[in-house]
Amino acid sequence: DTAVSQTPKYLVTQMGNDKSIKCEQNLGHDTMYWYKQDSKKFLKIMFSYNNKELIINETVPNRFSPKSPDKAHLNLHINSLELGDSAVYFCASSHTAGTGGQFFGPGTRLTVL
Amino acid sequence: AQSVSQHNHHVILSEAASLELGCNYSYGGTVNLFWYVQYPGQHLQLLLKYFSGDPLVKGIKGFEAEFIKSKFSFNLRKPSVQWSDTAEYFCAVTPSNTNAGKSTFGDGTTLTVKP
Repeated sequence: DTAVSQTPKYLVTQMGNDKSIKCEQNLGHDTMYWYKQDSKKFLKIMFSYNNKELIINETVPNRFSPKSPDKAHLNLHINSLELGDSAVYFCASSHTAGTGGQFFGPGTRLTVL
Repeated sequence: AQSVSQHNHHVILSEAASLELGCNYSYGGTVNLFWYVQYPGQHLQLLLKYFSGDPLVKGIKGFEAEFIKSKFSFNLRKPSVQWSDTAEYFCAVTPSNTNAGKSTFGDGTTLTVKP
């Protein structure tokens, strides 16, 4: 019954490592997003995919690379992790045009040591 | 590009007090407006939304918001808060003319309700 799911929920890793976060939605939405929420709770959009096509790519380091194998999945791969990447990453989905609002996943708390 | 401003960063109320959280946006066209709530340790959930029609919208858990176009505002209200309303509240704006629903979120308001 989970609408938007993310794995893993917690991720603790060393600087310089490469890691991936997976997201899946079963709502039939065609648009998916990645957000970063920092320690002050500020929420910033990173990427958005519509029908597997990248449509929003905010100012994010090239070390972050999203991949959407199909409409229901949007994964986030991060290379050469840095301390400043520590945050909670939320995946979300919506119908195109977003009038119904976005549905968020439970978040992945990434800690870079 | 649109922007969203939430004036109150931290609001502390006693139970049964009335709540109003401010949200103003900046955008030249028509918009869809949202309020989301994030309970401690949880993900964001949609509280209510406006995209057309009656500017006074009602959401879950007794919350409502009023869209005042002339003031570019979409303030969130609740007549009587409960301890369980303690959470982070985010206002978000999406231009109506985009095909992808890019939302801009405000910086959030932390609401603490004292029992």
